[in-house]
Amino acid sequence: KNQVEQSPQSLIILEGKNCTLQCNYTVSPFSNLRWYKQDTGRGPVSLTIMTFSENTKSNGRYTATLDADTKQSSLHITASQLSDSASYICVVPGGSYIPTFGRGTSLIVHP
Amino acid sequence: DAGVIQSPRHEVTEMGQEVTLRCKPISGHDYLFWYRQTMMRGLELLIYFNNNVPIDDSGMPEDRFSAKMPNASFSTLKIQPSEPRDSAVYFCASSSLQGASGNEQFFGPGTRLTVL
Repeated sequence: KNQVEQSPQSLIILEGKNCTLQCNYTVSPFSNLRWYKQDTGRGPVSLTIMTFSENTKSNGRYTATLDADTKQSSLHITASQLSDSASYICVVPGGSYIPTFGRGTSLIVHP
Repeated sequence: DAGVIQSPRHEVTEMGQEVTLRCKPISGHDYLFWYRQTMMRGLELLIYFNNNVPIDDSGMPEDRFSAKMPNASFSTLKIQPSEPRDSAVYFCASSSLQGASGNEQFFGPGTRLTVL
C-alpha cells in the first residue's frame, strides 16, 4: 500500500531559527515528490518538486533533499519568518497518477 | 488566469439538506480532483476526472456523494442528504501533464462546509 509519513506532526520555533521537516514514503513506482505549503484558510501551493535523479533543490530559504534509496525527503527552512507558519505537505504520485498525501507538518513560527 | 475558482467559500446547512459545491478549473487543464480535508484525516482524494471523464471515485465515502463534470470548465460535488460528519473543507484542484509544471496540482481556495 502506498504511504507517505511525515514528521514531526507539529513544530514550534522562534523567528530566525532553522528547522527541518521529514517525509518517508513507500510509493511505487516512484516518479517525483512534491512539497506543498498550505497557509491557514487557503489551498496548498507547490514549493518544489524532486525527481528521481535530484538530491537537493533550493527555492529561496527552502531546501528540499531526496534520498531515493532510503525513500526519504526533507524540507529545510533557513532563517524562519512569521510567514513560514503553515502546514507543509509531502505528496508522492503513484503509478496510477493518484497522489498519496502525507498528513502534513504544522509549523508555527513565534516572534 | 484567475486560478481554480470554487463556490461557495462557506456553506452552513442543516442535516438532511442537499449541498452542491462548484469548481471551475484552470483553462487548459485536463485533470480535475476533488479533495476533503479534516484535522483528523488530512487531505483525502474523493474523485478525479480526466478530460471530463471520472477515472477513479474510490475515495467517495458513500452513495450520498456524487460528482459531475459536464464540460471542461465546470464540475460539481453534491452531497445528498448531508450529515454532520460531512463537515470539512472541500478542495478542488486541477492539473495538466503538459508543460513545465508537470503534475503540479493547483488548488482552489476551498469550501468550508458545516452541517448542523
